[in-house]
Amino acid sequence: NAGVTQTPKFQVLKTGQSMTLQCAQDMNHEYMSWYRQDPGMGLRLIHYSVGAGITDQGEVPNGYNVSRSTTEDFPLRLLSAAPSQTSVYFCASSYSSNTILSNYGYTFGSGTRLTVV
Amino acid sequence: AQSVAQPEDQVNVAEGNPLTVKCTYSVSGNPYLFWYVQYPNRGLQFLLKYITGDNLVKGSYGFEAEFNKSQTSFHLKKPSALVSDSALYFCAVRGAYNDMRFGAGTRLTVKP
Repeated sequence: NAGVTQTPKFQVLKTGQSMTLQCAQDMNHEYMSWYRQDPGMGLRLIHYSVGAGITDQGEVPNGYNVSRSTTEDFPLRLLSAAPSQTSVYFCASSYSSNTILSNYGYTFGSGTRLTVV
Repeated sequence: AQSVAQPEDQVNVAEGNPLTVKCTYSVSGNPYLFWYVQYPNRGLQFLLKYITGDNLVKGSYGFEAEFNKSQTSFHLKKPSALVSDSALYFCAVRGAYNDMRFGAGTRLTVKP
């Protein structure tokens, strides 16, 4: 199994540009989420989805959009990049909290390192 | 709101000595607590979890964690540290919608 695949691994954007970070999982996980990791701040939840067609905001949603049209994919869109969005972004997935399998925690992708200049 | 705190940014231990990485939690209801490890330029990897049951939880790579309800703590432990244990460790608590909240992380350095 590939697990959780994130693309691209690295990206440099200019302020005001838009882009989409891709995330795909092949484990039939219902739950998917996006985090950003910044030094000294741990991982902060941006958006999450409990299933296809259902998304919700996390702790730091401003400046980011998501959609979930399929179980496998959960792209993160930056509409107008700002230097404050320079970070490492992680996608994670797991089974639904309705099943005991969710107790095994998240599977994480390897991350996308984004720099906004 | 569910949250966890990791009071130490950095923990240094000598190889072969026991290690402890601290975590305290704040939740309403029963806590679902996790520990993850992150090696350089990698995503996080699941180490262990506490859902219910025994207060001492065993996980991967010889790690264990002790759940203490009265002290609202969930400290990560290992009896004998290895140099290869050097990494960034995160404590996390799961919310009602399976959303996970992470601590700021503790960098563990094990010196030979």
